[in-house]
Amino acid sequence: DTAVSQTPKYLVTQMGNDKSIKCEQNLGHDTMYWYKQDSKKFLKIMFSYNNKELIINETVPNRFSPKSPDKAHLNLHINSLELGDSAVYFCASSQLVGNTEAFFGQGTRLTVV
Amino acid sequence: KNEVEQSPQNLTAQEGEFITINCSYSVGISALHWLQQHPGGGIVSLFMLSSGKKKHGRLIATINIQEKHSSLHITASHPRDSAVYICAVKNSGSARQLTFGSGTQLTVLP
Repeated sequence: DTAVSQTPKYLVTQMGNDKSIKCEQNLGHDTMYWYKQDSKKFLKIMFSYNNKELIINETVPNRFSPKSPDKAHLNLHINSLELGDSAVYFCASSQLVGNTEAFFGQGTRLTVV
Repeated sequence: KNEVEQSPQNLTAQEGEFITINCSYSVGISALHWLQQHPGGGIVSLFMLSSGKKKHGRLIATINIQEKHSSLHITASHPRDSAVYICAVKNSGSARQLTFGSGTQLTVLP
């Protein structure tokens, strides 16, 4: 069983569309993250949820809205997609307390045309 | 200046060579991760360190907390080790998010 699974793996869409990326973890972790990897392969935190509560919201356009229906799921919804949103988005999970490994999803390559 | 600096940015080695990738950080951390990203994109955690040294097969990771420095070593390198290696520090603040270095692209030639 995949520990952190993201869908879809590839997403090609037109400017102006609204799209969602789903993430689920079956590790029992209490904290989930969305990271963005830009064209230079640099990874940066976007959001973090702990037990369904938002605990990090970096300087991300409010067109990006995370939703956590339960602690095993953290979905990312993006409104009015722009060319600059093209990137690879990674979901990850870990346990907030104690030094536990971070587990990553396989990434979603979003291309906005 | 990034909070996490990695060097070198690119590294090409011959099969069998000993490889070292370095990471320096400037923030308080609870742990440091070494991650591997293969072409095709998935990210795998190789090590998580908060002190000392860890070894897994041909991979060795060390950390010096006082000097805020970590190294990843690969012994007897092999072409299948070719990947991007990323240092990431786990923030010591309340959210424990990861802050990443810019990655080292390693190419091991046969």
